[in-house]
Amino acid sequence: GNSVTQMEGPVTLSEEAFLTINCTYTATGYPSLFWYVQYPGEGLQLLLKATKADDKGSNKGFEATYRKETTSFHLEKGSVQVSDSAVYFCALSLQGAQKLVFGQGTRLTINP
Amino acid sequence: DTAVSQTPKYLVTQMGNDKSIKCEQNLGHDTMYWYKQDSKKFLKIMFSYNNKELIINETVPNRFSPKSPDKAHLNLHINSLELGDSAVYFCASSQDGRGNSPLHFGNGTRLTVT
Repeated sequence: GNSVTQMEGPVTLSEEAFLTINCTYTATGYPSLFWYVQYPGEGLQLLLKATKADDKGSNKGFEATYRKETTSFHLEKGSVQVSDSAVYFCALSLQGAQKLVFGQGTRLTINP
Repeated sequence: DTAVSQTPKYLVTQMGNDKSIKCEQNLGHDTMYWYKQDSKKFLKIMFSYNNKELIINETVPNRFSPKSPDKAHLNLHINSLELGDSAVYFCASSQDGRGNSPLHFGNGTRLTVT
């Protein structure tokens, strides 16, 4: 089946630290991959996406590269800010599937 | 001018009651969804509709009945509420439901069943 596995949280970092949140997937086919972010009390927002192998998605200083050989889509940011504190979800979608499959989410807390 | 809006934001009710959650999107999208987020933040799709037609029903109990009067609205009615229904319910929409169309989410409805 199709599934997404993220690194266990919570993750706590100091401001300006380097961030990596690991994400690996299993899919029957060639999925599109996404990172969504959920701030407290809000719905999920698309952070970035990549639709084919070797594509790099980027937004707000975050990056993730679609690695078909390792079935991974790790999220990285060079210097995190307190405002990045949120829950991050990795997700996949198969062409025509009409739904996203989410990982379990990783709670990130950035301390000043 | 909220893109995906759902009401109410909070819903507290007793077991056995029937309740509804409403959702509207003003993005002109063809596809709408209901997702359930449990206490551990795990998100699972419940239903998706494309142009008012049910596309996905992910083994949700038939106490849950979605209704789409038009493609901009997808409401969720829940009969005979149970304690295990307590969760945050998110409505979402996407342009066309194809694999690479991102979802736009509402802010969620926190349902508490006592």
